[in-house]
Amino acid sequence: EAQVTQNPRYLITVTGKKLTVTCSQNMNHEYMSWYRQDPGLGLRQIYYSMNVEVTDKGDVPEGYKVSRKEKRNFPLILESPSPNQTSLYFCASSLAGSAETQYFGPGTRLLVL
Amino acid sequence: GESVGLHLPTLSVQEGDNSIINCAYSNSASDYFIWYKQESGKGPQFIIDIRSNMDKRQGQRVTVLLNKTVKHLSLQIAATQPGDSAVYFCAENDAGGTSYGKLTFGQGTILTVHP
Repeated sequence: EAQVTQNPRYLITVTGKKLTVTCSQNMNHEYMSWYRQDPGLGLRQIYYSMNVEVTDKGDVPEGYKVSRKEKRNFPLILESPSPNQTSLYFCASSLAGSAETQYFGPGTRLLVL
Repeated sequence: GESVGLHLPTLSVQEGDNSIINCAYSNSASDYFIWYKQESGKGPQFIIDIRSNMDKRQGQRVTVLLNKTVKHLSLQIAATQPGDSAVYFCAENDAGGTSYGKLTFGQGTILTVHP
């Protein structure tokens, strides 16, 4: 089944404790992206990757890192999480080398205490 | 339509009615637009897209209209069903520019369909 998977789905952590949210797609998509979703603010793009070893900042990249060492995986790294990073995070991927027709993962709900 | 703030616009319709959800986009350079549907507890799901060289595109029970002059996008859902109840987001992309990887979402509209 073609899908985007994220792990973990739910995470509670404390300020300053490094964490990684994994994202994997099995559709051989070139494009992958991370978003955060907050009440009243819609989805905001954090980082995106047009292909392996190619990443770019979205609208809200501060406090986040990403890497794209292989096509199927695009982990989101929070080196020193803060409470304002409490949010619902979505990973997405697209066949085309752009933001078109993205397929979204199920989401990761993060709470930073 | 879209608005700034913590309260999402809402639209309530009766089953069988037609629904129109509006979106005002901000970037005049945007040339690709997408509508997504998000059900409770799930990730956004692609509905339909349109490029700026078109002003109308139809899918199954859905139609997207684009008015570039006033930077307005709308999603029409025909014969709305209870399963259409969700939050609907428009998104814009400058596919021809240097930021063609970026996608900017609107804040969403809550559609509630009453049986």
